[in-house]
Amino acid sequence: DAKTTQPPSMDCAEGRAANLPCNHSTISGNEYVYWYRQIHSQGPQYIIHGLKNNETNEMASLIITEDRKSSTLILPHATLRDTAVYYCIVRVVTLTSNTGKLIFGQGTTLQVKP
Amino acid sequence: KAGVTQTPRYLIKTRGQQVTLSCSPISGHRSVSWYQQTPGQGLQFLFEYFSETQRNKGNFPGRFSGRQFSNSRSEMNVSTLELGDSALYLCASSLVRLGGADTQYFGPGTRLTVL
Repeated sequence: DAKTTQPPSMDCAEGRAANLPCNHSTISGNEYVYWYRQIHSQGPQYIIHGLKNNETNEMASLIITEDRKSSTLILPHATLRDTAVYYCIVRVVTLTSNTGKLIFGQGTTLQVKP
Repeated sequence: KAGVTQTPRYLIKTRGQQVTLSCSPISGHRSVSWYQQTPGQGLQFLFEYFSETQRNKGNFPGRFSGRQFSNSRSEMNVSTLELGDSALYLCASSLVRLGGADTQYFGPGTRLTVL
């Protein structure tokens, strides 16, 4: 699985958009980009995933560059409850294999400030 | 739909003892994965079970074992506990859809303290 690089920490003002970058320059064609977050000592929470197209759901948007070497998670209107560690993970998915192994890095600690 | 449940939520054991943790996946999910989270090593993959068979294993000693039952519920066991086994143990379940990207959903974890 490809390695990801994320900044260790970021701040964001409440109500503003939070843009969390992730670098995955060695990503291969069958690797998806997944984002999870973990709020202090709780289980990680799934946010969104994508292969090459931009994706949006009720929680966030995922923007993947055309060469797929980096991506950005966007929380459109950050609240204090969005303060958490955000993990960017790349994961191999093939037609015959969809394994449950996720490799977590250190993630980005997002601090949303009033 | 109920989420992933883990029992117990908190556990205190002493060195040398063994412990069994339980995980009930989301209804219909067939894969269960286990992870260990410590301040020093972060979140690390332990193993994955699918259809009662272990199909992936992380880099942990043989003291860590698991199993999955026919109803997809899973247990993990740690024998001869060491102080370093103190951690948050997380379970995640997924549907397993061939040909599509699956999503793992995590439980709240079991906090194990070894004294």
